[in-house]
Order: sequence, then structure tokens, then C-alpha cells
Amino acid sequence: GQQVMQIPQYQHVQEGEDFTTYCNSSTTLSNIQWYKQRPGGHPVFLIQLVKSGEVKKQKRLTFQFGEAKKNSSLHITATQTTDVGTYFCVSSGAGSYQLTFGKGTKLSVIP
Amino acid sequence: DTEVTQTPKHLVMGMTNKKSLKCEQHMGHRAMYWYKQKAKKPPELMFVYSYEKLSINESVPSRFSPECPNSSLLNLHLHALQPEDSALYLCASSQVTSGGAPYFGPGTRLTVL
Repeated sequence: GQQVMQIPQYQHVQEGEDFTTYCNSSTTLSNIQWYKQRPGGHPVFLIQLVKSGEVKKQKRLTFQFGEAKKNSSLHITATQTTDVGTYFCVSSGAGSYQLTFGKGTKLSVIP
Repeated sequence: DTEVTQTPKHLVMGMTNKKSLKCEQHMGHRAMYWYKQKAKKPPELMFVYSYEKLSINESVPSRFSPECPNSSLLNLHLHALQPEDSALYLCASSQVTSGGAPYFGPGTRLTVL
């Protein structure tokens, strides 16, 4: 898989504030996937982005894939305590099963 | 059905034991994966099976032995493990297409004494 850098590593927000995590690659990505892992849980698939400049929304979550397909972001509007967990971006090379996980962003929401 | 199941949920074993982890999916996926996840770290790929054949082995020690009996089942046989092998072992499956997103099972939390 291709290396992806994910920032920030940790984010503490007040409930109701927005949250964004970013993934960056030095090489062009064929696609990028986002997963959420709750404390004590397993990674749960959220979305896959494939096209340059793609934007997808799931309720309060907005996912973007950069025009150059080298970066991606996940934005949560008005966080809730149920958003707590670690968010991972995952990339793979074309035709490759070797998925590479970013290091993840651990989100804490203060009620 | 978008579910991957894994058994057991928890496993404690000694360094001389032999045990197996089991994974099952009924989504018609023909790619299946084993990942290892240590605390506060992202999952690390161990093995990938494609059409029941081992296609990727990420230099995993031979004390871990994968097996794919059929398109729905994936096993991980464990023998002579070390305490540092204690981790969450995750199974996943995906369609056999470029970049097919894997769906993960709940994992087996393994403790090696």
C-alpha cells in the first residue's frame, strides 16, 4: 500500500464543535477509504472515495478527495458524544490488497 | 448481510498451546484478510487470500498459519506464540476488485501468557 500521513493524532472538542481529520500522501492514490473504530471495537467502514475532487456526505459527516488525489479529509459538523472513536484513512495501490492505514485520529468529545 | 463473524471473542493461551481463530462471511466476497492490531495502533496486514489462495503474506512468523477452507471461511492457526503476540486479531473480507473496501469482523482479543 501507499503511505498516508494522518493528522492530528488526537483531537478533543466540546460537544457541538466541528472536527476535521486530514490524510496526505506524497503519491497519487487510486482511492481512499475511511473507517471509524469505537473504543474496544473494530474498524467500521464509512466511505470510499475514488474520483478526483469527490465530495460525499453522510448526515453530519463530509468526506473529500483532493483534486490531485493526494489528500483527503473527513469533517464532522456539530460533534456528538456518539462520534467518539478513532478515525482511520486507508489507501491501497491500484489492483492491490495491501491496504495501508493512516495512524488514525482519536476524537474525544466533551459533553 | 454485511457481517463478518469471528470466534472466539477472547482467547487466553500459553506459549506451548495450539489454538485456532475462525472467521466467516456470507457476502460472496472472494478476498479475505487477517490483520493484527496492537493497542493504540492501526491494524497491520498479515495475510490476504484471494479466491481461496494465499496472495499476500506480510513476512509473518511461521507460528501463525492461515488457512482458507472455502470461500466463506478463514482460519488462523496459532502455535508456540510469544507474549508480544497478544493483540486484537481482525478478519476482513472484500470484493475481489481493485481497492474493494474490506468489511471487518469484531475481532478476537488474544492474550498469550
